[in-house]
Amino acid sequence: QKEVEQDPGPLSVPEGAIVSLNCTYSNSAFQYFMWYRQYSRKGPELLMYTYSSGNKEDGRFTAQVDKSSKYISLFIRDSQPSDSATYLCAMNIQGAQKLVFGQGTRLTINP
Amino acid sequence: GAGVSQSPSNKVTEKGKDVELRCDPISGHTALYWYRQRLGQGLEFLIYFQGNSAPDKSGLPSDRFSAERTGESVSTLTIQRTQQEDSAVYLCASSSYPGGAEEQFFGPGTRLTVL
Repeated sequence: QKEVEQDPGPLSVPEGAIVSLNCTYSNSAFQYFMWYRQYSRKGPELLMYTYSSGNKEDGRFTAQVDKSSKYISLFIRDSQPSDSATYLCAMNIQGAQKLVFGQGTRLTINP
Repeated sequence: GAGVSQSPSNKVTEKGKDVELRCDPISGHTALYWYRQRLGQGLEFLIYFQGNSAPDKSGLPSDRFSAERTGESVSTLTIQRTQQEDSAVYLCASSSYPGGAEEQFFGPGTRLTVL
């Protein structure tokens, strides 16, 4: 079993929809949780990161962490075609340098 | 430059040949990381540098893989006697320390194809 599980999709939604992306994990020592966006043939771009449990909002993006359930989510409001990309969750243990990634979810926003 | 750069962007090689991949981190970033991304998969950690030392090389898949870094700048990842299963995108990232692992900035990657 992988340490971090992420549904690879693909996920296709109409423009303007609310998108929910999720990851589950097995290692309770993870403390930092990141979401990256990766466009085709590009490197991943950090969207946001969260420490421990709770919510964090940045514009149209909201990250949620539920450590009791070992479950993290990224919500995208008012989705745009430019949001079409692969979204990767990542996490690490405090003080460790190695990030552990999910498989990535491929998202398409249809105009 | 403003971001992490990697070269070459694409590399096609024959099985058994050695390859060298290069990474130029963001200026001033002391931490540097190498990851591998197989088709349709997430990123796998390979090695981490702090300055020119490598405190964590736990992700290197075999002794055919090695990496070095000159000071706090360029790093090279070398794969000897390449195999077809080495085909992947090799990504480099850097971060400021102690800003830490949580804010890693990635380069565009080198797409390696082993025939």
